[in-house]
Amino acid sequence: DAGITQSPRHKVTETGTPVTLRCHQTENHRYMYWYRQDPGHGLRLIHYSYGVKDTDKGEVSDGYSVSRSKTEDFLLTLESATSSQTSVYFCAISRPSHGELFFGEGSRLTVL
Amino acid sequence: EDKVVQSPLSLVVHEGDTVTLNCSYEVTNFRSLLWYKQEKKAPTFLFMLTSSGIEKKSGRLSSILDKKELFSILNITATQTGDSAVYLCAVAHNTDKLIFGTGTRLQVFP
Repeated sequence: DAGITQSPRHKVTETGTPVTLRCHQTENHRYMYWYRQDPGHGLRLIHYSYGVKDTDKGEVSDGYSVSRSKTEDFLLTLESATSSQTSVYFCAISRPSHGELFFGEGSRLTVL
Repeated sequence: EDKVVQSPLSLVVHEGDTVTLNCSYEVTNFRSLLWYKQEKKAPTFLFMLTSSGIEKKSGRLSSILDKKELFSILNITATQTGDSAVYLCAVAHNTDKLIFGTGTRLQVFP
């Protein structure tokens, strides 16, 4: 158990509304990631963070922003949700010396 | 462009069968290859491979990496219904990010 919790776990919203997903970790890991998972695409990296206030884009970052003001929290924001952002979102942490990622339980977002 | 390709996309077997899942990759500055199992929720870590020819084993699961031919296989012997899942392959390169394949869906029937 890597001590990762995501909230909310399920959310239904309407097109054009802002949405924030939260990832909280209890193990003080430096690296945190947000992925989305869609049928036929596997897991795709949205944004990641390598420390407080240090973030970078992944391969599908358009329409998303992130913030990391504390080591334990990594927030993913959809400023104006679209139907194409309906997905399951996973937060993950890693220890660089090990390489493997540990995932949270996922947040299922539906944009109507 | 970096990519990870898994095959087959889907596999249906009966309990007791042996299966082999494939993962090929093209990435710059390869660092490691990882296998994950995903049931209904979050992917769970199975193996990390960094060196060619060294088999990693955990119970009925085993995996090996070929860095010359750029692929890995995941073997599951004497399959059980509990092995039904999506198996994900991912490759780490010189950044701190993983590139995932689309997965192989394994269904094991009694």
